Amino acid sequence: QKEVEQNSGPLSVPEGAIASLNCTYSDRGSQSFFWYRQYSGKSPELIMSIYSNGDKEDGRFTAQLNKASQYVSLLIRDSQPSDSATYLCAVFRAGNNRKLIWGLGTSLAVNP
Amino acid sequence: DTEVTQTPKHLVMGMTNKKSLKCEQHMGHRAMYWYKQKAKKPPELMFVYSYEKLSINESVPSRFSPECPNSSLLNLHLHALQPEDSALYLCASSQDPGGGRAYNEQFFGPGTRLTVL
Repeated sequence: QKEVEQNSGPLSVPEGAIASLNCTYSDRGSQSFFWYRQYSGKSPELIMSIYSNGDKEDGRFTAQLNKASQYVSLLIRDSQPSDSATYLCAVFRAGNNRKLIWGLGTSLAVNP
Repeated sequence: DTEVTQTPKHLVMGMTNKKSLKCEQHMGHRAMYWYKQKAKKPPELMFVYSYEKLSINESVPSRFSPECPNSSLLNLHLHALQPEDSALYLCASSQDPGGGRAYNEQFFGPGTRLTVL
């Protein structure tokens, strides 16, 4: 079992729809969770971080965390073609070898 | 200002060359990172500097040599690379190297696209 898993996609949604991206993780002790957006040929951009159970909203983005079920999701409302990118889920692993553990990313295509 | 800068943007080098990648941040962050990213893969951690000291080396070959001259600068010295080392090299920084939740938010520079011939 991978430490962080995402559906690779591609996920295709029409413009204006809600895009839902999911991520599961294996380390029950994880406390910090991040969503990065990466356009083709560009570097990852941090778009959301979440640390507590529940929802966190920032503009059209909502991150949801459920530690009991060990999943974190990202909702993008009113999707725009400019949201077309790869979305990477990252979970911070604490302890001696502290680092971000990355999912493989989900490719999102928003169709006009 | 959440900005990390990297130079050069593109680099082409032969297997016998020596080159350096540079990274700079002015956010007062105390942790800096080098990542390597291949196409359609997530970033792969190479090195972590914490308070200007090397804290993590992910078993990276010695042909990659990191250096942290001060808290704002990070270099990656390259020597005798192989074609399979061609990738996007990313620098990132965070406030605190693992001290608390929000302090682990990592901000990436634009990257250096490296091609080894």
